[in-house]
Amino acid sequence: QGQLVESGGGVVQPGRSLRLSCAASGFTFSSYGIHWVRQPPGKGLEWVAVISYDGSNNYYADSVKGRFTISRDNSKNTLWLQMNSLRAEDTAVYYCTHFGSWGQGTRVTVSS
Amino acid sequence: DVVMTQSPLSLPVTLGQPASISCRSSQSLVHSDGNTYLDWFQQRPGQSPRRLIYKVSTRDSGVPDRFSGSGSGTDFTLKISRVEAEDVGVYYCMQGTHSWTFGQGTKVELK
Repeated sequence: QGQLVESGGGVVQPGRSLRLSCAASGFTFSSYGIHWVRQPPGKGLEWVAVISYDGSNNYYADSVKGRFTISRDNSKNTLWLQMNSLRAEDTAVYYCTHFGSWGQGTRVTVSS
Repeated sequence: DVVMTQSPLSLPVTLGQPASISCRSSQSLVHSDGNTYLDWFQQRPGQSPRRLIYKVSTRDSGVPDRFSGSGSGTDFTLKISRVEAEDVGVYYCMQGTHSWTFGQGTKVELK
């Protein structure tokens, strides 16, 4: 199923931007659609976005549409999530996943 | 949007006894391709989620056979035939037929 490693999380002020990365290994990255899923502190899982195997299609949850952008580079086995206009409610651990494999997550805290 | 409703939200279990979690969707999860995209995930305390079951009833590699999934249409069930201590955690159903949506989670803990 491979390995996924997220990075780029941190503490950011409301309204600012952050870019998360996800490095993949151990599987044919270019064959999989990859998702971002987040988990607010003490709460359940929320699907955020998906990008198709070749990057030609992407879809977003209504809660992030217009603010977040998912992208990938199959030559680098890397996925990104550009997060703009961040809000307090975006505070969560963000996972990249193809559902058969999950990363360890990266924590994003939006606070002034 | 499809709403996934799990019950119960808290499930006290006894070691060696069976356990069952229900998941209901607000609309049919049968895809136009004929598949039903309903998965089950386990999240142990402090860990990332792990998929147990996909497409209603297919166990992922390495998942013990005490876990089984069943159901159709809008009603689905995850069963643990004999609960072991390592099964403690939160279990989520997720549909992938109409975009993707998770249930609220069911916390399984020992009595």
